[in-house]
Amino acid sequence: QKEVEQNSGPLSVPEGAIASLNCTYSDRGSQSFFWYRQYSGKSPELIMFIYSNGDKEDGRFTAQLNKASQYVSLLIRDSQPSDSATYLCAVKVWKLTFGQGTILTVHP
Amino acid sequence: ETGVTQTPRHLVMGMTNKKSLKCEQHLGHNAMYWYKQSAKKPLELMFVYNFKEQTENNSVPSRFSPECPNSSHLFLHLHTLQPEDSALYLCASSQEGVTSNNEKLFFGSGTQLSVL
Repeated sequence: QKEVEQNSGPLSVPEGAIASLNCTYSDRGSQSFFWYRQYSGKSPELIMFIYSNGDKEDGRFTAQLNKASQYVSLLIRDSQPSDSATYLCAVKVWKLTFGQGTILTVHP
Repeated sequence: ETGVTQTPRHLVMGMTNKKSLKCEQHLGHNAMYWYKQSAKKPLELMFVYNFKEQTENNSVPSRFSPECPNSSHLFLHLHTLQPEDSALYLCASSQEGVTSNNEKLFFGSGTQLSVL
């Protein structure tokens, strides 16, 4: 079983819709959770982090964490073509472990 | 601009060459990292320097050799690489460091390496 698992996609959503990106992890001792966005040909940049169960909102982005079910998700409301990128989930136990990323395409 | 600068952006080398990748961070961070990114694979941590002390060597082949002369600079020395080493090599830094749960990474733009 992979330590951090993401559906590689591509996930395609129309402009204005909600994009839902999911990530599951194997280690119940995981303490903190991060979402990075990587545009094609660019390096990853941190967009969200969450430590506690529940939701955390920042603008159009909402991170959701459920430790009992061992998943973390990222919701993007009012998706824009500029949100098209690969989204990397990262989970910290004793070290930071990345998933392989989900490709998101937002079409006009 | 993230405050982490990597050079060169692109590198093509033969298997017998020796080259070095350079990374400089202007953020005053305490930890610096080398990651390898290959197509369709997760980011792989190679090396970490926490307060200039190497704390991670993730079973990386000895043909990769890191050097951290001070808290702002990081090098990755390459020699006798294999074609399967072709990948994007990313440098990153973090203020919090590897012992923190709040380990937020700032990445450089990467070096795209091709080994012929």
